Amino acid sequence: DVQVVESGGGLVQPGGSRRLSCSGSGFTVSSDYMGWVRQAPGKGLEWVSSIYSGDDTYYADSVKGRFTISRDSSKNTLSLQMHSLRAEDTAVYYCARLSVYYFDDSESYYFDFWGQGTLVTVSS
Amino acid sequence: DIQMTQSPSSLSAFVGDRVTITCRASQSISNYLNWYQQKPGKAPEPLIYAASTLRSGVPSRFSGGGSGTDFTLTISSLQPEDFATYYCQQSYNTLSFTFGPGTKVD
Repeated sequence: DVQVVESGGGLVQPGGSRRLSCSGSGFTVSSDYMGWVRQAPGKGLEWVSSIYSGDDTYYADSVKGRFTISRDSSKNTLSLQMHSLRAEDTAVYYCARLSVYYFDDSESYYFDFWGQGTLVTVSS
Repeated sequence: DIQMTQSPSSLSAFVGDRVTITCRASQSISNYLNWYQQKPGKAPEPLIYAASTLRSGVPSRFSGGGSGTDFTLTISSLQPEDFATYYCQQSYNTLSFTFGPGTKVD
């Protein structure tokens, strides 16, 4: 069975930093395509960041320059380092695997396995 | 960025009803459209990818259609476990995914 587990959420002061971690079983977190999606309380889903092969990383404009996605191959984990946190970053953060599919000979992805989410609250 | 809209934002239905949700992209995304179901307090679960391909294990009462800018998710006969919020997501621009705002089915 495939499982994804996030950790690291909690209460952070505005301007502070937090590091989220994601581990998995049944697949290799450190080599599969992965992403982070967040959901503010009572709101919809917002893509945050994705990581593909090597250092191929992408970010939503709302977090670019403040968040960094990375892998630790030795621990088989994915991380999201968050700096300069704002109240609007308050959300449940989900780690999810990106599954590859092909259409018209082009490669695309969908999030196939998700963790249970970890809540980050930015407040003084 | 590609913007996604959904309609309606919410709908009320009964068990056994046929339900259709619409998703629209701000530009053509071919068939790079995915659908997710989310129940309260739970993580989203994928239902359909590539606009119309049912993910393994998803009941056949779910179906997806459309291409270009207009897409639909249809539940042919609503079951009690289908009351949830449904999100579409474009994967045409794989460098910047976007989700629709969601449709709550209650």
